[in-house]
Amino acid sequence: AQTVTQSQPEMSVQEAETVTLSCTYDTSENNYYLFWYKQPPSRQMILVIRQEAYKQQNATENRFSVNFQKAAKSFSLKISDSQLGDTAMYFCAFMKPRGGQGGSEKLVFGKGMKLTVNP
Amino acid sequence: GAVVSQHPSWVICKSGTSVKIECRSLDFQATTMFWYRQFPKQSLMLMATSNEGSKATYEQGVEKDKFLINHASLTLSTLTVTSAHPEDSSFYICSARDYLKSSYNEQFFGPGTRLTVL
Repeated sequence: AQTVTQSQPEMSVQEAETVTLSCTYDTSENNYYLFWYKQPPSRQMILVIRQEAYKQQNATENRFSVNFQKAAKSFSLKISDSQLGDTAMYFCAFMKPRGGQGGSEKLVFGKGMKLTVNP
Repeated sequence: GAVVSQHPSWVICKSGTSVKIECRSLDFQATTMFWYRQFPKQSLMLMATSNEGSKATYEQGVEKDKFLINHASLTLSTLTVTSAHPEDSSFYICSARDYLKSSYNEQFFGPGTRLTVL
């Protein structure tokens, strides 16, 4: 079974600074997807960024970028120019896509990390 | 983007009663929906996968007779907590998959339902 580990339960950063959230995962699969989700105090889950394992290029979405190290099974999220609105819980998630053996598209979440951006 | 709604957003019920939570995809057809449970300050735990027109697939440890899931149409899935007890109090979140829209296996999440059982 796949597992996702977020070892840092909580972090804080000053507004406008850069912060990196770590995530590691364990799988024997070669084809899969990785996601970072944000859950603000409203508790609405919001997709921040996604990465397909077969792509070597790291995904970027505006101020958000990832460092995907497939061999090390590491998937960290970098937030540049942190904003107050970035304050939220951040969850790293793994998915094995349908189509492959045993694929089900179930998301496996890490425990989450609480990020606080201070003014 | 695709929108998923949940109703109600917050419900309080007495112990022993049943509660139904609805999950709707508003602007797309969702052949698959997922139900999650989230305890305070914890992660999301998948309860079951709901496929339109067929029985739901429950995760290990989830009582299917207690958490009844019905996915009768391409836009609606319901979760019924039967004979609710205080330990069922939690935040329930649904998500939906649009096979026609998303080639990235993205799940679109509802805003969640807070259930409090007295």
